[in-house]
Amino acid sequence: DTAVSQTPKYLVTQMGNDKSIKCEQNLGHDTMYWYKQDSKKFLKIMFSYNNKELIINETVPNRFSPKSPDKAHLNLHINSLELGDSAVYFCASSPTGNNQPQHFGDGTRLSIL
Amino acid sequence: GESVGLHLPTLSVQEGDNSIINCAYSNSASDYFIWYKQESGKGPQFIIDIRSNMDKRQGQRVTVLLNKTVKHLSLQIAATQPGDSAVYFCAENWGGGSYIPTFGRGTSLIVHP
Repeated sequence: DTAVSQTPKYLVTQMGNDKSIKCEQNLGHDTMYWYKQDSKKFLKIMFSYNNKELIINETVPNRFSPKSPDKAHLNLHINSLELGDSAVYFCASSPTGNNQPQHFGDGTRLSIL
Repeated sequence: GESVGLHLPTLSVQEGDNSIINCAYSNSASDYFIWYKQESGKGPQFIIDIRSNMDKRQGQRVTVLLNKTVKHLSLQIAATQPGDSAVYFCAENWGGGSYIPTFGRGTSLIVHP
């Protein structure tokens, strides 16, 4: 199936740990994104990559580091996890350029104990 | 009816009724608008989009209306079904910017059988 797939779907870990979330898209899109959705469902852009290059880095702590090994993958590594990092993280992709809707993965629910 | 408060705005309707979900956008230069549907445990899914040179666009059971004068967008769902129950987001995009859409707060639609 053509899709944006992210793993794991659930991630439960302790404060201070380091974790990674993987994302892959087979839609042939050039641009990929990471979003954070809080408990009130507000979606906030974190990063955007175009052809493996970072184009947007919103005010995100530098504990969050995206890595794009190729244009079909955008992984998110988080160091020294904090309680406030608990949220659902969504990966998305879109073709390059304006007037293009994004395609989202089904999210990774991160819970910090 | 629609209620706005500290929690996610909610619209409750009966099955078979028409639903109207409203969205106020912030950037008068935005030229592309998208509606997404997010079901529980899933990522946002594209429903319909509209460009700023149009004021109405119709899809299957959905219509989007754009009023640029008052920066208002609405999504009309005809003959609402229980499967339409979800959180709906509007997003605005400005072609002169980063092509990263800005998401609205979201409205929870609850359809009662």
